[in-house]
Amino acid sequence: DIQMTQSPSTLSASVGDRVTITCRASQSISRWLAWYQQKPGKAPKLLIYKASNLGSGVPSRFSGSGSGTEFTLTISSLQPDDFATYYCQQYDSYPWTFGQGTKVEIK
Amino acid sequence: EVQLLESGGGLVQPGGSLRLSCAASGFTFSSYDMSWVRQAPGKGLEWVSTISSGGGTYYADSVKGRFTISRDNSKNTLYLQMNSLRAEDTAVFYCATGERSGNFDYWGRGTLVTVSS
Repeated sequence: DIQMTQSPSTLSASVGDRVTITCRASQSISRWLAWYQQKPGKAPKLLIYKASNLGSGVPSRFSGSGSGTEFTLTISSLQPDDFATYYCQQYDSYPWTFGQGTKVEIK
Repeated sequence: EVQLLESGGGLVQPGGSLRLSCAASGFTFSSYDMSWVRQAPGKGLEWVSTISSGGGTYYADSVKGRFTISRDNSKNTLYLQMNSLRAEDTAVFYCATGERSGNFDYWGRGTLVTVSS
């Protein structure tokens, strides 16, 4: 199975900060990576697919990059609505797997 | 508007069975791969199972042999039959689908399954 490891697990930041979350795969997944945002008590929301493609309705302050085994999610200017937990997910091969999550907290 | 509505969750004893349903609307159900994703209390997301539009099925190792995914395209409904339930299966189970295989653009609100004596 492909293991997905996110870093950091928790991130404290302020409104307006540039935030970067890293996701590493245990083997190459080409660009078959998605990013999700989840708020407490809610279903996840797709932010990025195929490593760098913005999901429908997702603000342009979110961006994704990477290929192979290393990927990043960047929020260019953190907004109050962005405090949430973020997950990466590989869909290169079954079983599809998620990272453990990165919680973005208010500093 | 795409809508996914899960049902069938509840409290079940270890070793018991439960059948989850997901009623879909707002899209051509038969053309989409459908999946179940779960989240244990306070934990991260775990992909459980997917059934393709063509009927192929895929499972996480943790549920293989115990869970069965199926779909009824005439009823626009996805199912998850869960047998031999364990305490570690306690989670919110989400029904999910997307515009591309492997992506989850659309999610239901989830249904809570609690396995406890």
